[in-house]
Amino acid sequence: DIQMTQSPSSLSASVGDRVTITCQASQDISNNLNWYQQKPGKAPRLLIYDATDLETGVPIRFRGSGSGTDFTFTIFSLQPDDFAVYYCQQYDSLPYTFGPGTKVDIK
Amino acid sequence: VQLQQSGPGLVKPSQTLSLTCAISGDSVSTERAGWSWIRQSPRRGLEWLGRTYYRSKWNTDYAESAKSRITIKPDTSKNQVSLQLNSVTPDDTAIYYCARTRGTGLFDYWGQGTLVIVSS
Repeated sequence: DIQMTQSPSSLSASVGDRVTITCQASQDISNNLNWYQQKPGKAPRLLIYDATDLETGVPIRFRGSGSGTDFTFTIFSLQPDDFAVYYCQQYDSLPYTFGPGTKVDIK
Repeated sequence: VQLQQSGPGLVKPSQTLSLTCAISGDSVSTERAGWSWIRQSPRRGLEWLGRTYYRSKWNTDYAESAKSRITIKPDTSKNQVSLQLNSVTPDDTAIYYCARTRGTGLFDYWGQGTLVIVSS
């Protein structure tokens, strides 16, 4: 199975900050990576697919980059609604696997 | 697209966990997507369990970790997909989600989640 790691595991930030999360795959997954946001008591929500493409309806302050084994997820100008847990997920090969998550909370 | 999950929230050890996911706004038989089950627990995080999809015929894929115990089946008459997990243990306690699998592996619509506790 492809292992996904994320860093940091948690971070504290203020409204307006730029936040960056990294995700690393245990082997080359090309651009076969998605990013999700999850709020307490809710299902994950797809934000970014194919490493860089914004899902319909997702604000443009969310951005994804990277390919191969190293990926970055950035929130430009953090908003109050963005405090949540963020997960990366690979779909290069089965089984699909997720990173452990990065919790973004209020400083 | 809306996915509405149903099923018991408490299952006894060694018994079978059974959940259904009723689909509205799409067809379980669509050839543009598939239907996955994913679970989430503090110990395992988000874990994909398997999927079913229709491409001229029905196909299923399962995670090796659950392959011996899991069945995912479409029900075209009710437009829903089901999950059965046999011989459960407390380690199967988790929130279970169904999700539409678009393209080759992204989950764009999710059910509301069902907390299943395995306990006697």
